Amino acid sequence: GNSVTQMEGPVTLSEEAFLTINCTYTATGYPSLFWYVQYPGEGLQLLLKATKADDKGSNKGFEATYRKETTSFHLEKGSVQVSDSAVYFCACNQAGTALIFGKGTTLSVSS
Amino acid sequence: ETGVTQSPTHLIKTRGQQVTLRCSSQSGHNTVSWYQQALGQGPQFIFQYYREEENGRGNFPPRFSGLQFPNYSSELNVNALELDDSALYLCASSLGPSTMNTEAFFGQGTRLTVV
Repeated sequence: GNSVTQMEGPVTLSEEAFLTINCTYTATGYPSLFWYVQYPGEGLQLLLKATKADDKGSNKGFEATYRKETTSFHLEKGSVQVSDSAVYFCACNQAGTALIFGKGTTLSVSS
Repeated sequence: ETGVTQSPTHLIKTRGQQVTLRCSSQSGHNTVSWYQQALGQGPQFIFQYYREEENGRGNFPPRFSGLQFPNYSSELNVNALELDDSALYLCASSLGPSTMNTEAFFGQGTRLTVV
């Protein structure tokens, strides 16, 4: 089945630093790719997604590009804020219904 | 428009017991998916219900079962609880079964502890 590997955390940054969280996937066919965010005490929220190769998903200053040649979907943000502190999950879909998640990367941003 | 709500928020059970977790889907959503999130891990797909029928299942034993009701709310039942069943159980609802075309909205989860 499909699988997702993302960089282990925690990632600790100062406010306004550049963020990259690496994500690679293994899949048959052409899955859709997602980044979800989980703030403390809350459920998962969709941050962005891409449904085909070379698509770029973006939201709230975060971006990720679907790279078929490297099977990657790295999350980036040019200038992080304290409010971005959360756990970030990379995911792909499988059989069109299930979401397959990575283990999550904890981001901590200090002022 | 109400979001996805799950009950209870926390639960402690003894090994061997049975548990039922509940999920109310977002208004208008006909699909519910359940995930298990162990501590420090990503969510793992248990199964999906679409219009009251099971529509896909992950690698979980038969003692994990579910139901979806005509109002599209759902239950997750786990029999013969084991210590490894301790986890956060997440419910997600969507307008349809396809994760390609519809967004899944997650509830805050039920934290189950098996002792």
